[in-house]
Amino acid sequence: KAGVTQTPRYLIKTRGQQVTLSCSPISGHRSVSWYQQTPGQGLQFLFEYFSETQRNKGNFPGRFSGRQFSNSRSEMNVSTLELGDSALYLCASSFGRVTDTQYFGPGTRLTVL
Amino acid sequence: GQQVMQIPQYQHVQEGEDFTTYCNSSTTLSNIQWYKQRPGGHPVFLIQLVKSGEVKKQKRLTFQFGEAKKNSSLHITATQTTDVGTYFCAGTGFQKLVFGTGTRLLVSP
Repeated sequence: KAGVTQTPRYLIKTRGQQVTLSCSPISGHRSVSWYQQTPGQGLQFLFEYFSETQRNKGNFPGRFSGRQFSNSRSEMNVSTLELGDSALYLCASSFGRVTDTQYFGPGTRLTVL
Repeated sequence: GQQVMQIPQYQHVQEGEDFTTYCNSSTTLSNIQWYKQRPGGHPVFLIQLVKSGEVKKQKRLTFQFGEAKKNSSLHITATQTTDVGTYFCAGTGFQKLVFGTGTRLLVSP
């Protein structure tokens, strides 16, 4: 069974630009969650999508948005990039119950210059 | 909102020493999961605990869920260099999965 894939793996952008990251979950998984990870900050929850609907949201500004398609693939978008947005963005998929195991992708390393 | 804290934030041990990380929730949890993230990698699921007072073992790793279901611990006996990484707990409560702050473990040979 293929794992969670994320594209691109690395990205360099400049302040003010916007970026779109993609996540393909494990086949059969209907939930996709996004996390931001910076050194010393652990895993900061961005949002979770289940069956194309945002089910939970973290405490991030509106510049961070996401969506999920009918095939469960998900994208997250960050507009008007700031230096502080430089981070590893991880997505995780699961079958959909909150208690289910989260399967993480390898992440997208975003650098904002 | 629900918060899950882990202590210590960081620990450096000599190979062969034991290591313990503690996970504390501000609210009662339905279950708790543990994940390990190797340097440069992504979090990988280790185990899930569901019952009050539950204890599970995986080789040198021992996981415990507190009686009140508000805390958990991971103990590694006789650490090895392959144990290096960051260990996260993740608790479920109020229909949300909340990750702990993580404990970074460094093991010197």
